Amino acid sequence: DTGVSQNPRHKITKRGQNVTFRCDPISEHNRLYWYRQTLGQGPEFLTYFQNEAQLEKSRLLSDRFSAERPKGSFSTLEIQRTEQGDSAMYLCASSLTISVGVLGYNEQFFGPGTRLTVL
Amino acid sequence: AQSVTQPDIHITVSEGASLELRCNYSYGATPYLFWYVQSPGQGLQLLLKYFSGDTLVQGIKGFEAEFKRSQSSFNLRKPSVHWSDAAEYFCAVEPPYNNAGNMLTFGGGTRLMVKP
Repeated sequence: DTGVSQNPRHKITKRGQNVTFRCDPISEHNRLYWYRQTLGQGPEFLTYFQNEAQLEKSRLLSDRFSAERPKGSFSTLEIQRTEQGDSAMYLCASSLTISVGVLGYNEQFFGPGTRLTVL
Repeated sequence: AQSVTQPDIHITVSEGASLELRCNYSYGATPYLFWYVQSPGQGLQLLLKYFSGDTLVQGIKGFEAEFKRSQSSFNLRKPSVHWSDAAEYFCAVEPPYNNAGNMLTFGGGTRLMVKP
């Protein structure tokens, strides 16, 4: 396994169109995260899955965004009715969380990202 | 809510010179701490991490970072910078508690340029 992969690497779309991105995590990893990174900023958390369950969503994730992780393997992030403000790099990360009591040790490995440009 | 501050947006150093990138965090308890590097158009690569124990941690590519609890800081250092180190560097924190989801909160990044 060579790491986290994301497809497509680049997507150009017109405002109002729907887009879908795919993330394939490292195979034994139980957690999968989506982050968004706008130009000149650090990544911001969007949502995460533990196996197939989506456990948390950021307030950044509007109703136009939906994410799935069927069968706890790959994940998709769909944006409906895209807006110019959605233009960003969408990063996926996966991790194998090791729980020790209430603590969780969690090293996230990132994919190369999908750069979305909305015209 | 946790936050991360990287006070220096841009830093330029000469090749061979030493480097220190600053990171300060705000969190109720001691979080887990990370430094990532991002080359143009690429994803994030983990340089080093701190979970607990020795406050001076060694990472890849000759980088190290020191956790100072009293200053809520986790500064990244390298004794001699190489031209290939030019990139964007991000400090990040993670809540240590498993039920908090362990999602990362990133600083705004520091862009490092290296002069020949």
